[in-house]
Amino acid sequence: EAGVAQSPRYKIIEKRQSVAFWCNPISGHATLYWYQQILGQGPKLLIQFQNNGVVDDSQLPKDRFSAERLKGVDSTLKIQPAKLEDSAVYLCASSKAGGTGELFFGEGSRLTVL
Amino acid sequence: AQSVTQPDIHITVSEGASLELRCNYSYGATPYLFWYVQSPGQGLQLLLKYFSGDTLVQGIKGFEAEFKRSQSSFNLRKPSVHWSDAAEYFCAVGPPHNAGNMLTFGGGTRLMVKP
Repeated sequence: EAGVAQSPRYKIIEKRQSVAFWCNPISGHATLYWYQQILGQGPKLLIQFQNNGVVDDSQLPKDRFSAERLKGVDSTLKIQPAKLEDSAVYLCASSKAGGTGELFFGEGSRLTVL
Repeated sequence: AQSVTQPDIHITVSEGASLELRCNYSYGATPYLFWYVQSPGQGLQLLLKYFSGDTLVQGIKGFEAEFKRSQSSFNLRKPSVHWSDAAEYFCAVGPPHNAGNMLTFGGGTRLMVKP
């Protein structure tokens, strides 16, 4: 079974530029999550989708971050314009709807904002 | 609001020694509890979880954790550490009966293993 795929693995941009990250969850997983992991900290949930609807985006900085999950499969997280404090690893995870609470994580996309 | 505290940022143990990683949580009710491991450059992998029942739960890679309601703790243990266990460990809590949603993670404990 293929795992959660993310790209790109690494991205370096200047502040005020834009960036987009892509995630393809495990086949059949209805729930998709984007987490932000700042160096030295635990992951923080940015947004959660159930199929193609948003369940929770309360911690997403909506003035600069946006995310979509068209057709309920893969998802894109965009940051525009980026700030220095957005430097982090962006983790995508998926789980079965109504599942046992196990999240399957991708390897993450590391963003450095200069 | 829920929170998770992992008091030890770094722990170093010798290979073959026992290990205990601490986790304390604050939650309105008994949450669902998880331990995840993150190896360098990798995503997080679930080690074990507690929903209800027996307070000592077994996980993968020889890990176990004990839920203590009176202490709001869910400490992770391993009797004999292997060099490959060097990684970062995260404790997490989630709302009961809705386990897949809104996990809150602790800050993590980085484990180093001495030969």
